[in-house]
Amino acid sequence: QAVVTQEPSLTVSPGGTVTLTCDSSTGPVTSGHYPYWFQQKPGQAPKTLIFDTHIKHSWTPARFSGSLLGGKAALTLSGAQPEDEADYYCFLFYSGARVLGGGTKLTVL
Amino acid sequence: QLQLQESGPGVVKPSETLSLTCTVSGGSISSSNYYWGWIRQPPGKGLEWIGNIYYSGSTHYNPSLKSRVTISLDTSKNHFSLKLSSVTAADTAVYYCAKETHLDYWGQGTLVTVSS
Repeated sequence: QAVVTQEPSLTVSPGGTVTLTCDSSTGPVTSGHYPYWFQQKPGQAPKTLIFDTHIKHSWTPARFSGSLLGGKAALTLSGAQPEDEADYYCFLFYSGARVLGGGTKLTVL
Repeated sequence: QLQLQESGPGVVKPSETLSLTCTVSGGSISSSNYYWGWIRQPPGKGLEWIGNIYYSGSTHYNPSLKSRVTISLDTSKNHFSLKLSSVTAADTAVYYCAKETHLDYWGQGTLVTVSS
């Protein structure tokens, strides 16, 4: 089974920019993995921000964007807000099976 | 506007079978070509994908759980279900159901504790 790797933790200053990445043990992440990004705050269900690499839901703040970067999926937050402090997970498709990354704890400080 | 709600026992004994149901309201689970799925989260840990079922009934499972997992659809009741057999303490988690296609709708999650 594939292993999906994310940075365990990152810190960004308020108003700053940060990029979270998602790597696959089987090789480069492509659009064929249909990367998803979830945000989860303590005690809450996850909320999906991005699907199919870069597509936003209606509730996704404009400051979040998804892309492919150097063989990885990436979630970029531009203009971080205190309310963006949360855990972020990526989710990749592998011919039927799905695999979740271990999550990145993002601190806004 | 879909709504998903998990239901089932909050406590399951070791070696028994965990059974949860996800009731979908606001739309039919069989009328669109969607996947419906289950994801869990042990206390203080990350998310783990369990498996999914297509509206036609075909399934995919996490290889690490495949021998113990069954996901099924009941279109007459507009719900889908999860069964996980031979549970141990490691299966203690919050279990979420979701419309896996686009993952735009999630249940609130239900905590299942494996304990005698």
